[in-house]
Amino acid sequence: DAGVIQSPRHEVTEMGQEVTLRCKPISGHDYLFWYRQTMMRGLELLIYFNNNVPIDDSGMPEDRFSAKMPNASFSTLKIQPSEPRDSAVYFCASSYHEADEQYFGPGTRLTVT
Amino acid sequence: GNSVTQMEGPVTLSEEAFLTINCTYTATGYPSLFWYVQYPGEGLQLLLKATKADDKGSNKGFEATYRKETTSFHLEKGSVQVSDSAVYFCALREGYNTDKLIFGTGTRLQVFP
Repeated sequence: DAGVIQSPRHEVTEMGQEVTLRCKPISGHDYLFWYRQTMMRGLELLIYFNNNVPIDDSGMPEDRFSAKMPNASFSTLKIQPSEPRDSAVYFCASSYHEADEQYFGPGTRLTVT
Repeated sequence: GNSVTQMEGPVTLSEEAFLTINCTYTATGYPSLFWYVQYPGEGLQLLLKATKADDKGSNKGFEATYRKETTSFHLEKGSVQVSDSAVYFCALREGYNTDKLIFGTGTRLQVFP
């Protein structure tokens, strides 16, 4: 298996623009997680899905952030409008309910200028 | 609420030195405990885990023992290598009703030849 795939790997955008981050989980995994990593706040869970349904979105910072999972093999995290404080590395991870391990993608480094 | 506290880094060691990275937790019930490792430019990978008190997780020469009496899960390695340089995250899963992980802030390890 190719592992969790994220795109793009790097994104540079201007403040106010819409940003869409994409994730393809490992086939057969029924949980998908979106995390944000910054030096100041460390690793934060933003939202997670089970069988394509959002279970806990309490970590989503504000209404500018939204996440969808239209099917078992694809999820997006959208920021609209983006702000410089959104600059971070965004990770997607997936897991199978019966297992403990979460498998992380390589991350998307977002820079908002 | 549940939380994980790790020693602050960076931890700087010479090759073949003994490593300890402290981790303590606060949790209700009986959490599972994990150590994840993040190499530069990559996502997190599971290093080892323990699911009940007195369990010892081990992998790649690293070990950690689940100590319920001291609510700790310290990571140890007898002889570190330059290739062990990375950021190490302690994490807990709250119980069987959730797949959500709570991560510590991470500890950077730098090993010099």
